Amino acid sequence: KNEVEQSPQNLTAQEGEFITINCSYSVGISALHWLQQHPGGGIVSLFMLSSGKKKHGRLIATINIQEKHSSLHITASHPRDSAVYICAVFNYKLTFGKGTLLTVNP
Amino acid sequence: KAGVTQTPRYLIKTRGQQVTLSCSPISGHRSVSWYQQTPGQGLQFLFEYFSETQRNKGNFPGRFSGRQFSNSRSEMNVSTLELGDSALYLCASSLEDRGRGKLFFGSGTQLSVL
Repeated sequence: KNEVEQSPQNLTAQEGEFITINCSYSVGISALHWLQQHPGGGIVSLFMLSSGKKKHGRLIATINIQEKHSSLHITASHPRDSAVYICAVFNYKLTFGKGTLLTVNP
Repeated sequence: KAGVTQTPRYLIKTRGQQVTLSCSPISGHRSVSWYQQTPGQGLQFLFEYFSETQRNKGNFPGRFSGRQFSNSRSEMNVSTLELGDSALYLCASSLEDRGRGKLFFGSGTQLSVL
């Protein structure tokens, strides 16, 4: 069993829809990162969380340390949000989920 | 402010050769970490350096090594290359170590081993 599980693996949405990507992990962590990777592009850090909730524009990330679970929400999705979203957790090293491929159609 | 710079962008090597990749972090960042990305395994942590000291190492063979210089620039070396080493190698820099700081990634070095 992977230490970091993401769901869904693939997600297709219509422009304007509310998106949720989930991340569950099995070890105690000190931080959780949400990353975005566009096809053929580099990786951009969206959030780093150790507790609670963070918001940046249309993106919201939450973490529940007791439940070992985090969610990334995208409100009013747009085709430019199409990318792979990757969850990574840090205990003594960063361990990554396999990613969620999001496609937002116009 | 300049971003994280990785060189070279592309590299083709043959089995048995060795390779050195370079990463220049954002000015002021003392943490540099390295990652391997493949279609099959996804992203995997290689190692992290902070102020010239290796903080952690991932589950990779000893053929993978690295170092960090006093100006925070880092190099990664892979000796005796194998076909399975073909991958995108990414580095990231951060103000803080041990995953406590926001990560800034370079564009990566695409290594092909023939």
